[in-house]
Amino acid sequence: QKEVEQNSGPLSVPEGAIASLNCTYSDRVSQSFFWYRQYSGKSPELIMSIYSNGDKEDGRFTAQLNKASQYVSLLIRDSQPSDSATYLCAVNDHKLTFGGGTRVLVKP
Amino acid sequence: EAGVVQSPRYKIIEKKQPVAFWCNPISGHNTLYWYLQNLGQGPELLIRYENEEAVDDSQLPKDRFSAERLKGVDSTLKIQPAELGDSAVYLCASSLQSGGAGEQFFGPGTRLTVL
Repeated sequence: QKEVEQNSGPLSVPEGAIASLNCTYSDRVSQSFFWYRQYSGKSPELIMSIYSNGDKEDGRFTAQLNKASQYVSLLIRDSQPSDSATYLCAVNDHKLTFGGGTRVLVKP
Repeated sequence: EAGVVQSPRYKIIEKKQPVAFWCNPISGHNTLYWYLQNLGQGPELLIRYENEEAVDDSQLPKDRFSAERLKGVDSTLKIQPAELGDSAVYLCASSLQSGGAGEQFFGPGTRLTVL
């Protein structure tokens, strides 16, 4: 049984600070990794994908992947109140398996 | 580019009634997925289509759930009869890449309430 684990939160972050989200996964053969943002009552929105070890930056978002340690993380720099949402980690090796999500609250 | 379209957005039915959900994927996306999402949890895959072929339906409760994608574009997910525990959000997603490994883009979902 493949597992993807996330801390459910809430992760409370002051506006302008860095939010750090972590995700661990159990299946060593997983090849692709994704972060989705989901606002309350809305569907998941893809914000980052990462396929190789190291960092990938896109605007205020940085995804970090370490396959040896089986974790993937997401950093949100200069956090804004509009970043308040649930962030879902998803791991894919032929089927997308989601973690339960981390709820992030950015306080003005 | 239009995103994934789903209808209806909301559906309220009584238990034992049938219900159907419709999905139109992003143009050119041959891979289509149906997911179920319960409150406070991540989406769970029900079925994956490559064109018109269901290539992964291992998580679909086949006693009451069925799905079809007859022409390899639109898809319909049906529940008959619905049970109270089926209340959830049903999400459709599509992907350009085949094999289930690529980026997936979600539609707005259908929120089902079974009374």
